[in-house]
Amino acid sequence: DSGVTQTPKHLITATGQRVTLRCSPRSGDLSVYWYQQSLDQGLQFLIQYYNGEERAKGNILERFSAQQFPDLHSELNLSSLELGDSALYFCASSVRDLNTGELFFGEGSRLTVL
Amino acid sequence: GNSVTQMEGPVTLSEEAFLTINCTYTATGYPSLFWYVQYPGEGLQLLLKATKADDKGSNKGFEATYRKETTSFHLEKGSVQVSDSAVYFCALKKNAGNQFYFGTGTSLTVIP
Repeated sequence: DSGVTQTPKHLITATGQRVTLRCSPRSGDLSVYWYQQSLDQGLQFLIQYYNGEERAKGNILERFSAQQFPDLHSELNLSSLELGDSALYFCASSVRDLNTGELFFGEGSRLTVL
Repeated sequence: GNSVTQMEGPVTLSEEAFLTINCTYTATGYPSLFWYVQYPGEGLQLLLKATKADDKGSNKGFEATYRKETTSFHLEKGSVQVSDSAVYFCALKKNAGNQFYFGTGTSLTVIP
């Protein structure tokens, strides 16, 4: 158990809909990262937050947005969903901006868009 | 830019065979290097790491040595088990930044 909690574990929805994925980082971790893992197994970095502030942005679509709340949990909002958004979405956390800090991953939220 | 290139899979080995999964990286400066493993139905978990040149990371019989001269961090295990079947990801993190760069993953299946 990594200590990172993601909900829901599975989600099935229709095209055009909007969903929210939630992540609670490990206790004490200030950084939260979101990744998308597609069927070809590649991990795409979406966005990172540090203590409530956006820190780095990757290949995140304009239809997607995220935020980190004062209690440090984070939400990833996906809107106007398309079939191609079906993927596993991972949240990861790390302690701080430590030089050698490692990432701790949640078990992921599997999104299926029909 | 920063990037990680991994050996393409899938890889299928018999139990007790020797495993090598190649990983090379491109980065400026001196990154930290990681191997993560993803078992079926689970999230990624850290397998081992190395933070400077010539460091050797090891865990659960797996080893990888940070080779700056060849910009490589190949994963090895002398005798694989069925329970090692998973997807393995090589990653780097710049010491001056927050972002991790992952390879595309290599799927390993070990057959009895």
